Amino acid sequence: AQKITQTQPGMFVQEKEAVTLDCTYDTSDQSYGLFWYKQPSSGEMIFLIYQGSYDEQNATEGRYSLNFQKARKSANLVISASQLGDSAMYFCAMTEPHAGNMLTFGGGTRLMVKP
Amino acid sequence: NAGVTQTPKFHILKTGQSMTLQCAQDMNHGYLSWYRQDPGMGLRRIHYSVAAGITDKGEVPDGYNVSRSNTEDFPLRLESAAPSQTSVYFCASSSLPVLGELFFGEGSRLTVL
Repeated sequence: AQKITQTQPGMFVQEKEAVTLDCTYDTSDQSYGLFWYKQPSSGEMIFLIYQGSYDEQNATEGRYSLNFQKARKSANLVISASQLGDSAMYFCAMTEPHAGNMLTFGGGTRLMVKP
Repeated sequence: NAGVTQTPKFHILKTGQSMTLQCAQDMNHGYLSWYRQDPGMGLRRIHYSVAAGITDKGEVPDGYNVSRSNTEDFPLRLESAAPSQTSVYFCASSSLPVLGELFFGEGSRLTVL
């Protein structure tokens, strides 16, 4: 069974609009961490946002927010006011202490921002 | 700030040849790991280390060896390269305990012919 599922292989969004990238996860741990990384065409992995499983508030970092719904095991990334530079691959990931803190990645979503 | 430095960025080698991908971090991080990224897939962990002298296998360790003689360096060695090891490799580090951000190197694109 997949640990991290990203059901949207590719998405388009109009510049200046908001977009939600979906992520669901599967774990039996009570303590875990959820991440979103951005990978532009240049290839580097850029950390965007982190949510701990015990954090009651949704994480926010500038235009990025993480819609954390623990009971549904979802951790969707919301990007507000999309910019052309947001066009990239986006990966949802999770760390689990019992797995040696391995960061398990989803398959990614390619976001394309239209001018 | 150097962060995590990987070398080389690109390399081509033939089946059966050996090579070492270098990873160095200057943030005094205890946790270091190697991931590979293949088309259409996320990143999968190969090996990791939580301290000098301690290494452990990740999700896809076969065909790779690692060593950790100090805090800064974590080389990944391919003893006898195979075409299936054509991939982009990332080194990542973090302070311990790891439930926060992983810092990634820029990646090394390896092609095995």
